[in-house]
Amino acid sequence: AQTVTQSQPEMSVQEAETVTLSCTYDTSESDYYLFWYKQPPSRQMILVIRQEAYKQQNATENRFSVNFQKAAKSFSLKISDSQLGDAAMYFCAPNSGGSNYKLTFGKGTLLTVNP
Amino acid sequence: DVKVTQSSRYLVKRTGEKVFLECVQDMDHENMFWYRQDPGLGLRLIYFSYDVKMKEKGDIPEGYSVSREKKERFSLILESASTNQTSMYLCASSSGGALGEETQYFGPGTRLLVL
Repeated sequence: AQTVTQSQPEMSVQEAETVTLSCTYDTSESDYYLFWYKQPPSRQMILVIRQEAYKQQNATENRFSVNFQKAAKSFSLKISDSQLGDAAMYFCAPNSGGSNYKLTFGKGTLLTVNP
Repeated sequence: DVKVTQSSRYLVKRTGEKVFLECVQDMDHENMFWYRQDPGLGLRLIYFSYDVKMKEKGDIPEGYSVSREKKERFSLILESASTNQTSMYLCASSSGGALGEETQYFGPGTRLLVL
């Protein structure tokens, strides 16, 4: 079974500052997708950003960007200009390769944003 | 907007009871998923379905079964509830594209307590 490691169970950041959440994973696939999902205190999980392993360029969505290092099997999430609404549990989730839609989730990182 | 609804937010059941958790999506998605979420363990896939009447076991199917008689509805069944099935249960759906990049849309979750 695929393993996904989020080594930071909890992180905190000051409002307006930048924080990076780490994720490493194990896969034998060459092409796959990686996702970061966010679960705010209200519990509805939503997609933050996705990356295709085949693409060299790191994905960016507004204040959210990733640092994808394929050889190291590392997929970190950077949140710039942190806002109070960013406080949530963040989950890293690679798929099982290629067009497989089955995801394996990490254990999550709880992000606190301090005013 | 995609909407995934779950029949109950909170549920209390007795050991040995048969429990049905219902999930409905309104986006004509082919894929539907059931996860359980436990503190420190992240999300773990119980079962998923890629078409009506089609299902596949996830990582932790023991003690659970599923039913998908209609495309929009995916039910999780605990045949004989046990205390170790006390958890948060999340349903998700995604379109059936062939790329593996599809977003999973989550319901609000059902917190089940088995006494």
